[in-house]
Amino acid sequence: EPEVTQTPSHQVTQMGQEVILRCVPISNHLYFYWYRQILGQKVEFLVSFYNNEISEKSEIFDDQFSVERPDGSNFTLKIRSTKLEDSAMYFCASGSTGMAGNTIYFGEGSWLTVV
Amino acid sequence: AQSVTQLGSHVSVSEGALVLLRCNYSSSVPPYLFWYVQYPNQGLQLLLKYTSAATLVKGINGFEAEFKKSETSFHLTKPSAHMSDAAEYFCAVTFSSNTGKLIFGQGTTLQVKP
Repeated sequence: EPEVTQTPSHQVTQMGQEVILRCVPISNHLYFYWYRQILGQKVEFLVSFYNNEISEKSEIFDDQFSVERPDGSNFTLKIRSTKLEDSAMYFCASGSTGMAGNTIYFGEGSWLTVV
Repeated sequence: AQSVTQLGSHVSVSEGALVLLRCNYSSSVPPYLFWYVQYPNQGLQLLLKYTSAATLVKGINGFEAEFKKSETSFHLTKPSAHMSDAAEYFCAVTFSSNTGKLIFGQGTTLQVKP
């Protein structure tokens, strides 16, 4: 069964450093997402991406964050100048359409620890 | 504003007992509702979803959920809990949009006792 894959599974970084989290969405999907889950809190939407541009972003997704689809398979989340409060599990997800009700498939997550 | 509330952050049942995980939503437009499960050290896996067809939805691993518009609820049930059902369960909602963004509840941790 096709799946969303994410790397790294766990990364520790020093405060102020830049981090890139990588994702390979399901191959025929067109909509891509990043969500995050701070320990003990709910899963929060960060951004959706379609046709090489951001289609929607949350208030969390400020100038510190950026997304990119550098080639036909990868989808990345860059976090600049990381802060302690960026420590969280980051989930990549993809869907075949952006229609409400369409199933969104999640990767296993990248656990980011900022020290 | 649209939102999802899961009542009970922790639910404990005995093996073989009924599982009931509660989810209520708030929406001014027809919602599409999902239940995802997260096993330890794994990602989010879709259990089932409601997309305005049948109000009783059957999912994987023996779970089902019923959409009740009058109660704005989408509670998840399983007649007989198994030890392997121990996990965190998330209710999520999306609305008519062109992005498919999901709004998640706080999650409910299900503990199954032998």
